[in-house]
Amino acid sequence: QLQFQESGPGLVKPSETLSLTCTVSGGPISSTAYYWAWIRQSPGKGLEWIGSIDFGGRSYYSPSLESRVTISVDTSKNQFSLKLTSVTAADTAMYYCARDGFDTSFFDYWGQGTLVTVSS
Amino acid sequence: QSVLTQPPSVSAAPGQKVSISCSGSSSNIANNFVSWYQQLPGAAPKLLIYENTKRPSGIPGRFSGSKSGTSATLGITGLQTGDEADYYCATWDRSLNAYVFGTGAKVTVL
Repeated sequence: QLQFQESGPGLVKPSETLSLTCTVSGGPISSTAYYWAWIRQSPGKGLEWIGSIDFGGRSYYSPSLESRVTISVDTSKNQFSLKLTSVTAADTAMYYCARDGFDTSFFDYWGQGTLVTVSS
Repeated sequence: QSVLTQPPSVSAAPGQKVSISCSGSSSNIANNFVSWYQQLPGAAPKLLIYENTKRPSGIPGRFSGSKSGTSATLGITGLQTGDEADYYCATWDRSLNAYVFGTGAKVTVL
């Protein structure tokens, strides 16, 4: 059974960079059938896909965030990471990592999420 | 503003059936698989339905999915108090080049 655990600072100052890591256990991240995704949810709001990456580093991002987002993968640690630059209060959200079914458009395993607040 | 529209809330008595609609367009639902997620209060979303109609292992048969044209529907039969949650649809949007989620529907068991 795959398990996902997000980690990173819970508080980030405006204009700085948000950095999170997702550690995957119970199976290798180097699967050719899946991508690995970041999804966020602002307080009291709906879900927003941020981007996804495969084990080889091929990534694709939400156009609305693409200019500020980088997702990377470290297969030796079975981890993938998110960096979001120039954050504002609008980036305050619960951030989830998940497995992306890619061609079949689903997210079947999710982490518990980590709350990131942007505030000075 | 999401491109997938769901009713804000649906409700029914225990044991009854509810249907949650997800309305999209030719750039998303009509030409891509739809998935559905259940989010219990304070928890991460959980996959209920994928590829329009399929249930992952462990998801009860009370949950079902269907799709027709630019809309999809999640059905829940034999409603239980434990089904009180927010439900989201999702799919790929070819125009936006992004995964999109529905606006979310809150299910209340009366």
